[in-house]
Amino acid sequence: DQQVKQNSPSLSVQEGRISILNCDYTNSMFDYFLWYKKYPAEGPTFLISISSIKDKNEDGRFTVFLNKSAKHLSLHIVPSQPGDSAVYFCAAHLYNQGGKLIFGQGTELSVKP
Amino acid sequence: NAGVTQTPKFRILKIGQSMTLQCTQDMNHNYMYWYRQDPGMGLKLIYYSVGAGITDKGEVPNGYNVSRSTTEDFPLRLELAAPSQTSVYFCASWTELYGYTFGSGTRLTVV
Repeated sequence: DQQVKQNSPSLSVQEGRISILNCDYTNSMFDYFLWYKKYPAEGPTFLISISSIKDKNEDGRFTVFLNKSAKHLSLHIVPSQPGDSAVYFCAAHLYNQGGKLIFGQGTELSVKP
Repeated sequence: NAGVTQTPKFRILKIGQSMTLQCTQDMNHNYMYWYRQDPGMGLKLIYYSVGAGITDKGEVPNGYNVSRSTTEDFPLRLELAAPSQTSVYFCASWTELYGYTFGSGTRLTVV
């Protein structure tokens, strides 16, 4: 039972354009969501998060949108840069579960110059 | 400031062999986690610990054991390696304020 799903295993975008990475979830008890970025041979690094009581969080070129009624969140990167090429994981946190996260399968983003 | 350090980075094991994946952190975090990442499957939680002397199972604990004798160290033990344990293993520590800090991973192949 995959509680957090990223249905697109890969995405290719031209430099300067917008990248949109999607994530769906099934458990309405998740209290916040996070996006992690992973380069090859490195551990994931935190990118941006959003509380379940908000619908948008912005940090520079990165914006995360949350649609609770649809149980859907998305990460927008504008403008996309070649250095953004990486695997992006969506993750969800259950209330009162310490640091335990449930991860999606990941989406590999490729930004072409 | 090393953060979370994992050793070794790579290892090839034969079926039935045993090994310990080492993880140490220097941030004095109580919470530590072991995840495995399989292609197209995201990260799955193997075991976690909320402090020295306390460990608990995650989603996929079978075939693994852990111990947490100190705050700094959280080793993961494979007793009888199987091909299904071929994966990339990530150790992480967590605080509510700073979230997760991941190690750089251990790539394990069981042949």
